[in-house]
Amino acid sequence: EAGVTQSPTHLIKTRGQQATLRCSPISGHTSVYWYQQALGLGLQFLLWYDEGEERNRGNFPPRFSGRQFPNYSSELNVNALELEDSALYLCASSLGGQTGTDTQYFGPGTRLTVL
Amino acid sequence: AQSVTQPDIHITVSEGASLELRCNYSYGATPYLFWYVQSPGQGLQLLLKYFSGDTLVQGIKGFEAEFKRSQSSFNLRKPSVHWSDAAEYFCAVEPSSSNTGKLIFGQGTTLQVKP
Repeated sequence: EAGVTQSPTHLIKTRGQQATLRCSPISGHTSVYWYQQALGLGLQFLLWYDEGEERNRGNFPPRFSGRQFPNYSSELNVNALELEDSALYLCASSLGGQTGTDTQYFGPGTRLTVL
Repeated sequence: AQSVTQPDIHITVSEGASLELRCNYSYGATPYLFWYVQSPGQGLQLLLKYFSGDTLVQGIKGFEAEFKRSQSSFNLRKPSVHWSDAAEYFCAVEPSSSNTGKLIFGQGTTLQVKP
């Protein structure tokens, strides 16, 4: 069974540009989560989508946004890129629709570099 | 505020030696608890999880963890370390009383294995 997949593997952008990161969940999973892993800041929760709806958002500015498509895949968009947005962006998926006992499985990540 | 502490940033053990990675959490009730492992440049792989019941949980790759409510700890152990276990290990918690979808991660412990 295929795991969570993310594309692209690497992305290089310049300040002020927009970045789009993509994630495909494990088959049968309806929830998708996004995390940022920046050097020195650890793993921080960005967004949670379930059944096409945004369910929760971390402490990030509005220029971080996303969506979930009917096939449960997801996009993370980062507008007006800043140097400090350089990080590994991890996507996770879970079965969804459950409280707490829902295990998140992670993809390999997209390495975003902002020059 | 909920928090997770991994007191050891870096640990070095000899191949074949036993391993214990510490994790402490700060939360009013018993949260859901996870250990993930990350190899360089890779995503997170789930090692094991605790939701309720038996406080000693078994995971993949020969790892186990013990939940101790009195110490608010969830330490990860392995009786005999292999060179392939060298990686970064993350403890994570999810509050059991609210459905936020948010995993709170510790800072991570980097494991180095000496031949």
